[in-house]
Amino acid sequence: AQKVTQAQTEISVVEKEDVTLDCVYETRDTTYYLFWYKQPPSGELVFLIRRNSFDEQNEISGRYSWNFQKSTSSFNFTITASQVVDSAVYFCALSEGEGANNLFFGTGTRLTVIP
Amino acid sequence: NAGVTQTPKFRVLKTGQSMTLLCAQDMNHEYMYWYRQDPGMGLRLIHYSVGEGTTAKGEVPDGYNVSRLKKQNFLLGLESAAPSQTSVYFCASSYSPGQGPTYEQYFGPGTRLTVT
Repeated sequence: AQKVTQAQTEISVVEKEDVTLDCVYETRDTTYYLFWYKQPPSGELVFLIRRNSFDEQNEISGRYSWNFQKSTSSFNFTITASQVVDSAVYFCALSEGEGANNLFFGTGTRLTVIP
Repeated sequence: NAGVTQTPKFRVLKTGQSMTLLCAQDMNHEYMYWYRQDPGMGLRLIHYSVGEGTTAKGEVPDGYNVSRLKKQNFLLGLESAAPSQTSVYFCASSYSPGQGPTYEQYFGPGTRLTVT
C-alpha cells in the first residue's frame, strides 16, 4: 500500500493565485516525520520543511505554509501568490520512527505557474 | 562546502556492462542513501548506510550493490546493467539522531543513467 499519496498529478495556476498541494500519509507508528521537497526543472531536490508527529502546529515561511492534521493524516502545502519560479515538482515524504532511515516518497505533484 | 556530489552526471551503458556511481558528502553525515527516480513513481530507496562499513537494503535493492568504506563516500554498483535500471539516481545524506540538530536528507544533483 502506498504510504504517501499525492492525488494531484499536475496542477496549473496563473501567477499570483494561491495553490494547495495535498498529501495524505499512512503509518502505524506514533513517531514519524513528514517532509516536503521541491524539484525544480534543473532536477535537484530541495528540502522545504520537516514536521514531526508530535507537533501539529501549522507553519508559515514567507509565501509557503503547511497544514498538518493528524485526524485526517494529511500534510498539505499552500503557496500564496504563486510565482513562475514556483514551477516545479513537489514531493511529500514520510519517515517512520526515529532516525529517518527510509523516506517514503509520494509520486509528486507537478506545479506549473503560468505568467 | 560542496554538500553532496555525485559522479558521473550522465552515463549510457549497454546491457550487461557494469559501472559504479560515486557519492561524496562533506557534511560529516553518518547516514547515506541511494534512491532511484522513475517517471510517475517518485523516489524509491535502493540501499542505505548508517555508518562507515555498514550497509542495508532499501525498498528496491535487487541488481545493485553498495559499499561505504569511508564515511564521506557511498558507492553504488551495477554488476550487470539491465534496461530496467534506466533511471535517475540520487544520493542523499543526513545526520543520525543525536548527531546533529536535524536529520532531513540532503540530496545530490542526480545521475542520469540509460541502459540500452
